[in-house]
Amino acid sequence: EAGVTQFPSHSVIEKGQTVTLRCDPISGHDNLYWYRRVMGKEIKFLLHFVKESKQDESGMPNNRFLAERTGGTYSTLKVQPAELEDSGVYFCASSQATEQPDEQYFGPGTRLTVT
Amino acid sequence: GQSLEQPSEVTAVEGAIVQINCTYQTSGFYGLSWYQQHDGGAPTFLSYNGLDGLEETGRFSSFLSRSDSYGYLLLQELQMKDSASYFCAVRFHYGQNFVFGPGTRLSVLP
Repeated sequence: EAGVTQFPSHSVIEKGQTVTLRCDPISGHDNLYWYRRVMGKEIKFLLHFVKESKQDESGMPNNRFLAERTGGTYSTLKVQPAELEDSGVYFCASSQATEQPDEQYFGPGTRLTVT
Repeated sequence: GQSLEQPSEVTAVEGAIVQINCTYQTSGFYGLSWYQQHDGGAPTFLSYNGLDGLEETGRFSSFLSRSDSYGYLLLQELQMKDSASYFCAVRFHYGQNFVFGPGTRLSVLP
């Protein structure tokens, strides 16, 4: 069974540019999460999809971030325009369970550097 | 607010036992999970405590006490490959998002 995949693995962009991150969850997993880890700090929740619907987007930092999950399969996270403080590692995770424990399977992450 | 606290670093030698604590100032959560993350890698699920008490999975055990707002991850027979960051995390009743602790970096020395 393929795990969670993310693309690209690394992205270096200039301030003001746009970047789109992609996440392919494990097949059959309805729950999809986006997280961000800034250098040496905790893993911060961004948002949660259940199928194609946004269940919780309380962690999205501002309206420069837009997440979509068309058709309830893969998801994209667009940052437009990017700012220096957006640098970090963006993780995607998916899970199947609706009951606890909710074991989440993480992707390898996309390291975003904004210069 | 919701916050989890963990020691930033722990060092131990191969074969030893180490306990990583997680304390929290919150309530109304489903349970406490633990994740391991090697440098440059993805977090991987280790264990979950929905009820108070001890859960054992091989060399790893995890404990939760809701009355004490406290949990821990116990790693036994430490191996070099256990060097990694360990995160505790909770999911709250009133929302669906996870809150992660700041992480504890474990260094296992020969």
